Amino acid sequence: AQKITQTQPGMFVQEKEAVTLDCTYDTSDPSYGLFWYKQPSSGEMIFLIYQGSYDQQNATEGRYSLNFQKARKSANLVISASQLGDSAMYFCAMREDSGNTPLVFGKGTRLSVIA
Amino acid sequence: NAGVTQTPKFRILKIGQSMTLQCAQDMNHNYMYWYRQDPGMGLKLIYYSVGAGITDKGEVPNGYNVSRSTTEDFPLRLELAAPSQTSVYFCASSYSMRIAGGGASNQPQHFGDGTRLSIL
Repeated sequence: AQKITQTQPGMFVQEKEAVTLDCTYDTSDPSYGLFWYKQPSSGEMIFLIYQGSYDQQNATEGRYSLNFQKARKSANLVISASQLGDSAMYFCAMREDSGNTPLVFGKGTRLSVIA
Repeated sequence: NAGVTQTPKFRILKIGQSMTLQCAQDMNHNYMYWYRQDPGMGLKLIYYSVGAGITDKGEVPNGYNVSRSTTEDFPLRLELAAPSQTSVYFCASSYSMRIAGGGASNQPQHFGDGTRLSIL
């Protein structure tokens, strides 16, 4: 069974607008962490934001915020005030259980920001 | 700051050849990982290591071998290259941290820039 599902293969957003990238996950473990990474066309993987299953508040990092709905098992990434440099692949990933187990990645969403 | 360094960046192999993808990190991370990324797909875990001398299989280990003799280095070996192993390979590392009261670690994995491997 797929652990991480990203249902949007591609998204377009106008510059300066906000955009939401969807991520749903599947786990029976009460303890898990959710991560978002950005992969620009140059290929490197850049860590953006983290949300823990026990965190009471949604995570925020600058223009990035995470809309965490635990009961629905969703962890959507919200990018505010989109910039041309935000055009990239975005991956949602999950770590289950306690400690430092490897991340499991979704298939990604390609975001294109239009001027 | 070097972070995670992968060499080579690009390589073309013939079917049946062998090679080693090098990975080194200078952040004193205990945990290291190898992933492959096929076109249009996410990353799939090949092998990982929780410390020197300890390795474990991931989701797609067949056709690969790893070793971890030092904290810094985690090479990935392809013994008999096959066209199905054409991919981009990423090495990553992370800091080992236990969360008080349980809870998955919030430490992100730091990635190298990748090795683009083509097998013809």
